[in-house]
Amino acid sequence: KQEVTQIPAALSVPEGENLVLNCSFTDSAIYNLQWFRQDPGKGLTSLLLIQSSQREQTSGRLNASLDKSSGRSTLYIAASQPGDSATYLCAVEGPGANSKLTFGKGITLSVRP
Amino acid sequence: GAGVSQSPSNKVTEKGKDVELRCDPISGHTALYWYRQSLGQGLEFLIYFQGNSAPDKSGLPSDRFSAERTGGSVSTLTIQRTQQEDSAVYLCASSPPGGRNIQYFGAGTRLSVL
Repeated sequence: KQEVTQIPAALSVPEGENLVLNCSFTDSAIYNLQWFRQDPGKGLTSLLLIQSSQREQTSGRLNASLDKSSGRSTLYIAASQPGDSATYLCAVEGPGANSKLTFGKGITLSVRP
Repeated sequence: GAGVSQSPSNKVTEKGKDVELRCDPISGHTALYWYRQSLGQGLEFLIYFQGNSAPDKSGLPSDRFSAERTGGSVSTLTIQRTQQEDSAVYLCASSPPGGRNIQYFGAGTRLSVL
C-alpha cells in the first residue's frame, strides 16, 4: 500500500526566505507526483505535476524535483511571500490502474511579513 | 471556463439521516474522483469513474456510501444513515481524457453530522 509522508506538519518562516518542503513515498512505482496548494476552506489547486520520467518541473518561483528511486520529492519556494501561506500537499498517482491519488497530510506554511 | 462545481458547499445533518452531495465536473472531462478530507486524516480516495467503465469503489469506507455518475457527467455521492465520523470535507475532482493528467478539484462540501 502506497504511503506518502510530509514532515514537518507546519513551518513558519520570515518573508523573503527560500524554503524547501519535503515529501516521501514508499512505493516507487508511480506514474506521477503532484504538488497542490490548499487555502483554508477552499479546494486544492494544482501547482506542479512531475511525470515519473521527469526529474523536475518549474513554475515561477516554484521548483519541484522528483527522485523516484529513493521515493522523494521536494518543493522549492524562492523568495517566499505572505501570500504563499497555505497548506501544501504532495500526492502520487500509482501504483495501480485507477489513477487515484495518494496524499500526504500536508505542510501548513506560514510566511511572516 | 467553469471549474469543478460542488453543491452544497456546507451541509449540516442529524445522525441517521441520508445525504446527497453533488459534483459537476469540467465539461469534457471523462474521469471523476471523490475524496474525503477528515481532520487529522488527510485526503482519502473514495471512488473513481472513468468514462463508461465500471467505477472503482475500492476506497468507499462502508456500504452506507454509494456514488453514481449519470450520463458520464454529473455525479452524486450518497451517504445513508450518517454517523458522526462521516463529518468531513468531501472533494470531487475531474481530469481530461488521454492519459494520466492533472486532477482539477472543486471547493468541496463540508459535511457536519450532529
